[in-house]
Amino acid sequence: EDQVTQSPEALRLQEGESSSLNCSYTVSGLRGLFWYRQDPGKGPEFLFTLYSAGEEKEKERLKATLTKKESFLHITAPKPEDSATYLCAVHETGGGADGLTFGKGTHLIIQP
Amino acid sequence: GAVVSQHPSWVICKSGTSVKIECRSLDFQATTMFWYRQFPKQSLMLMATSNEGSKATYEQGVEKDKFLINHASLTLSTLTVTSAHPEDSSFYICSAKAPGLAGGSDTQYFGPGTRLTVL
Repeated sequence: EDQVTQSPEALRLQEGESSSLNCSYTVSGLRGLFWYRQDPGKGPEFLFTLYSAGEEKEKERLKATLTKKESFLHITAPKPEDSATYLCAVHETGGGADGLTFGKGTHLIIQP
Repeated sequence: GAVVSQHPSWVICKSGTSVKIECRSLDFQATTMFWYRQFPKQSLMLMATSNEGSKATYEQGVEKDKFLINHASLTLSTLTVTSAHPEDSSFYICSAKAPGLAGGSDTQYFGPGTRLTVL
């Protein structure tokens, strides 16, 4: 069973058309939830870290929110340069593992 | 701030040879570095975690004798793929984290990745 599930897998929007990406997670304890942007052939670029339910972070046209079971990445009036794959990852509490568990990502295309 | 580099950006090698990939934190000292692997259309999978001066911790299913990790300093970790085979062809990405960075002590900053192709 996947611990981190992102939906939709792909999303095509017109420039200016706002939408939201979903990341649902099932972990025994959440230490942090992270959003990254990945362009083709590149490493992930850090966007946001969220630690507790109710927390929100904003950066330009992006806003990330967190509940006890999921996180949303809201994109307001997107531009073509926002086209990328958006990755969600979780860091669990406890155990010895310190790495992140990633979802499969949402491939976002913004058409001019 | 929090820039991570990798070298080389891509490498092609023959089956049976070894390949070394370097990961450097350029403007901070990383307490921990990580190595991930990403296959086409798939997400990142953690391979190992390494701390400076100590042995790496490998994830289940990752062969420690095949993927050698050396973390010689707070700014450099290397991944050596020994006796590489075509099934090792993948995109290898490192990351690093440290206290005091803008994203928080748990945030990992990623390098640009290394594309390995084994013929």
